[in-house]
Amino acid sequence: GAGVSQSPSNKVTEKGKDVELRCDPISGHTALYWYRQRLGQGLEFLIYFQGNSAPDKSGLPSDRFSAERTGESVSTLTIQRTQQEDSAVYLCASSASRADTIYFGEGSWLTVV
Amino acid sequence: GQNIDQPTEMTATEGAIVQINCTYQTSGFNGLFWYQQHAGEAPTFLSYNVLDGLEEKGRFSSFLSRSKGYSYLLLKELQMKDSASYLCAVRDGTGGSYIPTFGRGTSLIVHP
Repeated sequence: GAGVSQSPSNKVTEKGKDVELRCDPISGHTALYWYRQRLGQGLEFLIYFQGNSAPDKSGLPSDRFSAERTGESVSTLTIQRTQQEDSAVYLCASSASRADTIYFGEGSWLTVV
Repeated sequence: GQNIDQPTEMTATEGAIVQINCTYQTSGFNGLFWYQQHAGEAPTFLSYNVLDGLEEKGRFSSFLSRSKGYSYLLLKELQMKDSASYLCAVRDGTGGSYIPTFGRGTSLIVHP
């Protein structure tokens, strides 16, 4: 597609439920990133995929968080047993390669009540 | 990892020029990005510097000094719509990581 596409745009979920967030990167982009941004805070790195290499999961805050990527296309970020502190916007970004400019999607706004 | 510092907030007058500074510490510098983020929206790419010097793009320019670990974003002929958060991000290639780390952002308020 023309840009990074994320869904859902907004999600309100009850504490303890699981959520799945989807990211469709720019076509042909081999690198894909997930960041989290809490209200009024900076961007916090979560996970990075590069081609067929093993993902860099060093930013995942707990084992409730996981992500998958199918080849060089769609990625899904899953948060299990959501907590209120998981409320944030989850931003996906992609780049043509690990050394290129990264472009962000519009984000998925998650609210845990 | 990287330590990225930028001012929390700046104010400026419409039509004026403002310079937003960013300092960083990194062991394997591999590029510096500036992004603009309006409230409630995703970051949008402004500029990328990997070599020393000034990159100019319309009303926006970005400067880099790798030896000083320093960059600035220069906004000219400020408009009200330039009120936004400006994010400095540094990419470190140490260990093949290449993951950009973001500063906390500088909130710019442009007033008439």
